[in-house]
Amino acid sequence: EIVLTQSPGTLSLSPGERATLSCRASQSVSSSYLAWYQQKPGQAPRLLIYGASSRATGIPDRFSGSGSGTDFTLTISRLEPEDFAVYYCQQYGSSLTFGQGTRLEIK
Amino acid sequence: QVTLRESGPALVKPTQTLTLTCTFSGFSLSTSGMCVSWIRQPPGKALEWLARIDWDDDKYYSTSLKTRLTISKDTSKNQVVLTMTNMDPVDTATYYCARIRVGDYALVDIWGQGTMVTVSS
Repeated sequence: EIVLTQSPGTLSLSPGERATLSCRASQSVSSSYLAWYQQKPGQAPRLLIYGASSRATGIPDRFSGSGSGTDFTLTISRLEPEDFAVYYCQQYGSSLTFGQGTRLEIK
Repeated sequence: QVTLRESGPALVKPTQTLTLTCTFSGFSLSTSGMCVSWIRQPPGKALEWLARIDWDDDKYYSTSLKTRLTISKDTSKNQVVLTMTNMDPVDTATYYCARIRVGDYALVDIWGQGTMVTVSS
């Protein structure tokens, strides 16, 4: 089973700053099957990025994804107040696995 | 508009069997590439995938929980049912069902609102 490890566990930044979140897989993951989600308190996760780099419908272009193989990155170019949340990476295969999450908090 | 809604008991006792139903609309689970998964989240913790059922009735389970889980679908009712046996307090979590679209990509694109299940005597 593929294990996804996200870093850092918590990221403290200010609005307007750039956020870089990492997701590392224990073995190679098809880029087509790597996604990122945002979750706010009391809400279900929301799909941000699929196929490692494609934005889901309605997602602002300040969100971008990159990477291949075992290393993937979610970048938020200029943080808005509504971006402070928990972010999960996820890979799809015969099983589906999530990373443990990165909490993005206001500094 | 695609929606999914989870239903089931809010409270179960240890050793009991949990049955959750996901009722969906806006898509058909008999359409090629459509799947429904169950995912849970203990309070304050990360997401954990449980099971998936595909348009062709293929079923997949979490390795660590497979002996306790059964997933099934009723295409005519637009429902997916998950049963989990031998419930324990550590199974206390919000349980989500979600749609997956598989093709060139795999997207868990629509989630239900989740249903909180507490396991306690």
